[in-house]
Amino acid sequence: DVKVTQSSRYLVKRTGEKVFLECVQDMDHENMFWYRQDPGLGLRLIYFSYDVKMKEKGDIPEGYSVSREKKERFSLILESASTNQTSMYLCASSFAGFYSNQPQHFGDGTRLSIL
Amino acid sequence: DAKTTQPPSMDCAEGRAANLPCNHSTISGNEYVYWYRQIHSQGPQYIIHGLKNNETNEMASLIITEDRKSSTLILPHATLRDTAVYYCIVRVAGKLIFGTGTRLQVFP
Repeated sequence: DVKVTQSSRYLVKRTGEKVFLECVQDMDHENMFWYRQDPGLGLRLIYFSYDVKMKEKGDIPEGYSVSREKKERFSLILESASTNQTSMYLCASSFAGFYSNQPQHFGDGTRLSIL
Repeated sequence: DAKTTQPPSMDCAEGRAANLPCNHSTISGNEYVYWYRQIHSQGPQYIIHGLKNNETNEMASLIITEDRKSSTLILPHATLRDTAVYYCIVRVAGKLIFGTGTRLQVFP
């Protein structure tokens, strides 16, 4: 079975802090994704990566950055956390090709609260 | 915007088949239909996907109409643990666009 592991299920941080969310997958997937999920807004793509050290902006990249130094690990960074970044953050991975038919597999999410 | 339309909620008795419909009338010829479900406080779980042929795996069956404008996800013997929000998705420019889904309630 595909395993996508997010480092924390729940996280509480303060406004202005730099926040790191970590994601690891064990299926040798080329693609990795970061989404946020908010009530009434569905899932929105923040960033994705199709290879080590490669990254592409999604629909809502403002206030975020990412890092992919190893194939299995994709980190989301909130440079200076703000209260409007309180959300459920979901990491996903899939086999090659952003436009391929391979399904994305999700982790269990990190529920982040910014106070 | 999501390219799919689903009923907001459905009920199903435990042990019976759950048939979840989805309309995707604007689907293009090479676009796949994906089904995910999300149980409260967990990440979306991939169920199945297909292009035009019917598909079956250990979790469910996917029936796609010949004109590909609609599909049905079938859970053959629903259990209480199948209570979740089910999403039917057609990828748009490579992106998964989750709509509001169908909240399936399985009752004893």
